[in-house]
Amino acid sequence: GNSVTQMEGPVTLSEEAFLTINCTYTATGYPSLFWYVQYPGEGLQLLLKATKADDKGSNKGFEATYRKETTSFHLEKGSVQVSDSAVYFCALHQGAQKLVFGQGTRLTINP
Amino acid sequence: SQTIHQWPATLVQPVGSPLSLECTVEGTSNPNLYWYRQAAGRGLQLLFYSVGIGQISSEVPQNLSASRPQDRQFILSSKKLLLSDSGFYLCAWRPNRDSGNTIYFGEGSWLTVV
Repeated sequence: GNSVTQMEGPVTLSEEAFLTINCTYTATGYPSLFWYVQYPGEGLQLLLKATKADDKGSNKGFEATYRKETTSFHLEKGSVQVSDSAVYFCALHQGAQKLVFGQGTRLTINP
Repeated sequence: SQTIHQWPATLVQPVGSPLSLECTVEGTSNPNLYWYRQAAGRGLQLLFYSVGIGQISSEVPQNLSASRPQDRQFILSSKKLLLSDSGFYLCAWRPNRDSGNTIYFGEGSWLTVV
């Protein structure tokens, strides 16, 4: 069945560092891919998405490119801020009614 | 515009007590509805999803149940809570269309079973 594997956390960086959170998936066909973010004490929010190969999703300085050849959707940001501290979830959706999530990666940014 | 609300936001319940978490969606019709749980230190786990009134699919055998008495209402219940039921519960909805649509989450409910 479909699955999503994320880079294990926690990840701790200094402010203004470059961020990459790896995400790879297993699916047949062409799923839609998402990154969700959960700030401390809050519910999940959509961060960005891509619905077909080579699409790039972007929001709030974050980017992720849908790579069919490597079945990946890595999240990147050039310069992180303390306010980016959160848990990030990669997710996949294809055809059926449910969304498949990765295990989440906790990110902490130190000033 | 569409909105989703779930309540209560936090609750502390003793072991063996019942549970009822409620979720409602406004501004849309016939949504797909979901209950997820996030246990401490773990990722999101899909518990139940529903594609219509009275239609419930369970993903994980457990101590919980779900019901959808109305089109935009989704309820998570338990007759007797266990310590392991503690966690963060998220209701979510998605338009009942193709797979490219985003899923939208409620604010979440923190449950502590003591």
